[in-house]
Amino acid sequence: SQTIHQWPATLVQPVGSPLSLECTVEGTSNPNLYWYRQAAGRGLQLLFYSVGIGQISSEVPQNLSASRPQDRQFILSSKKLLLSDSGFYLCAWSSPGGRGDTQYFGPGTRLTVL
Amino acid sequence: QKEVEQDPGPLSVPEGAIVSLNCTYSNSAFQYFMWYRQYSRKGPELLMYTYSSGNKEDGRFTAQVDKSSKYISLFIRDSQPSDSATYLCAMSPYGGATNKLIFGTGTLLAVQP
Repeated sequence: SQTIHQWPATLVQPVGSPLSLECTVEGTSNPNLYWYRQAAGRGLQLLFYSVGIGQISSEVPQNLSASRPQDRQFILSSKKLLLSDSGFYLCAWSSPGGRGDTQYFGPGTRLTVL
Repeated sequence: QKEVEQDPGPLSVPEGAIVSLNCTYSNSAFQYFMWYRQYSRKGPELLMYTYSSGNKEDGRFTAQVDKSSKYISLFIRDSQPSDSATYLCAMSPYGGATNKLIFGTGTLLAVQP
């Protein structure tokens, strides 16, 4: 069966510091990968998605970036965090070549920027 | 107007009640409809998936889609305290890797023992 991991689970960072969140998927090859941010009362906002190694599509212009250095690894980064970057970050995967709408989420990383 | 509207609740019901959760949407191109359950401080878990109109049943859960009214529902029968969570609806116009899911903001449900 497939599993998805995210770490760290929680993170408190000062404004202006860098960020690196990691997501890995097990039990599948060449998954589609997604990064979402969930803010209170605002639902899930798609930030990035990737259909393969090195292929990243950005949905929202901001100071975040994403990379996919390996088939089942997806990284969310920032060079300088803003207060507005606080939120619950979720990674998701879907089957390659299948319906991208059936997405499965990881446990999330709660980021607080002070 | 948001593409997907969902009452944030909270919705409080006694154990054993039938729960009705709803979403409305404005984009008539949506064809795929999903319900996710999210426990506090956890990632969303896919509950139900429906294509186009109609009903789908899975145990105590029933998903309904009425495309003519642009309205979807999730019914929970014999609700349990363990059903207490936030329920998110999601939808998309088509499948495929580059498809974007549009989520509602979620309804917080509390089932009282």
